[in-house]
Amino acid sequence: SQTIHQWPATLVQPVGSPLSLECTVEGTSNPNLYWYRQAAGRGLQLLFYSVGIGQISSEVPQNLSASRPQDRQFILSSKKLLLSDSGFYLCAWNTVDSRYEQYFGPGTRLTVT
Amino acid sequence: AQSVTQLGSHVSVSEGALVLLRCNYSSSVPPYLFWYVQYPNQGLQLLLKYTTGATLVKGINGFEAEFKKSETSFHLTKPSAHMSDAAEYFCAVSLFSGSARQLTFGSGTQLTVLP
Repeated sequence: SQTIHQWPATLVQPVGSPLSLECTVEGTSNPNLYWYRQAAGRGLQLLFYSVGIGQISSEVPQNLSASRPQDRQFILSSKKLLLSDSGFYLCAWNTVDSRYEQYFGPGTRLTVT
Repeated sequence: AQSVTQLGSHVSVSEGALVLLRCNYSSSVPPYLFWYVQYPNQGLQLLLKYTTGATLVKGINGFEAEFKKSETSFHLTKPSAHMSDAAEYFCAVSLFSGSARQLTFGSGTQLTVLP
């Protein structure tokens, strides 16, 4: 069966520090991968998606970047965090065979202080 | 462009009462529609989905939703609320963009179940 992992689960970082969040998927090949952010009291905002290694599409211009160094690994990064980067970050995946729904990881709670 | 509107950011029901969470969508093509549930500090879990075929779809935990094209709605219902149903619920519509299908989410409805 397929599983999706995110780490760390929680993170507290000072403003101006770098960020690296990791997402890995097991049990499937060539998934589409997604990064979402959920700010307090708000819905989900799609940040990036990837259909293959090295292929990244950005949905919102911002202080963040994404990379996909391996087929089932998706990384969200920042060189310098802003207060507004605080939120709950969710990774998700799907494939053509999964009938277009997405499956979500457990999330990472990021607090920028 | 596709969009989703969830009416009511907060809904409270008594335990045992009917749960009704409203979702309306706009789409230029036949949509794929989804309901997800999120418990505090967890990821989203798929409750149910509509792609094609029967317009009344049943999901997990006793929830169901009906696709009504004429009303552009996909409301979520459960006949009898349970305390464990307290969570945030998101309606979503699927959009094909480039090589991937993306989900556009509503802003969510927080369901509170009162004892």
